Amino acid sequence: DIQMTQSPSSLSASVGDRVTITCRASHSISNYLNWYQHRPGKAPKLLIYDASSLQSGVPSRFSGSGSGTDFTLTISSLQPEDFATYYCQQSYSHPLFGPGTKVDIK
Amino acid sequence: EVQLVESGGGLVQPGRSLRLSCAASGFTFSNYWMGWVRQAPGKGLEWVANIKQDGSEKYYVDSVKGRFTISRDNAKNSLYLQMNSLRAEDTTVYYCAKLVVVTATRWYFDYWGQGALVTVSS
Repeated sequence: DIQMTQSPSSLSASVGDRVTITCRASHSISNYLNWYQHRPGKAPKLLIYDASSLQSGVPSRFSGSGSGTDFTLTISSLQPEDFATYYCQQSYSHPLFGPGTKVDIK
Repeated sequence: EVQLVESGGGLVQPGRSLRLSCAASGFTFSNYWMGWVRQAPGKGLEWVANIKQDGSEKYYVDSVKGRFTISRDNAKNSLYLQMNSLRAEDTTVYYCAKLVVVTATRWYFDYWGQGALVTVSS
């Protein structure tokens, strides 16, 4: 199995802040790493696939990077609608999802 | 516009069965893998099952193997999850999701439904 960790588990930030979330895999997963945003009561939303490709319709303030075992999701300027929980996901073996990073308002 | 709408959730006693449905629209349903993902209260996302376009391949998380069955009806643009022998730990919100599958180890969920709550309790 491949274990996924995320850091931090939560963070508080202000509108306009630059936010960085890290995801680490226990074994190399090439660049097969995806990021999702999940707001309470809403459908989860794909933000980034293949580590750095922006999903159609997702604002350009979201970006992803990394390969192998270490990955990063960056929000360049946090907006009010970005307060949510963010999950990374690999597709090699279960469990697929990281534990999540909750971003709330400072 | 892609839409996925789950139905069939509710309160069920331990050991009983329930079937979830997902109505898909806005894309050619028969061309895509589909899946179910769940989220227990206060917990993270957990993948449950995936099914190939023609239903010939199905994959499950170990905790539901032998109890849950994923299926689809391409003529009705519908995905299903038959859940038998339900346990308290199956109490979660179940999301229907459309997959993009590039290879067996390179795939992701590009659209999700709003979810259906299943509560297993006596």
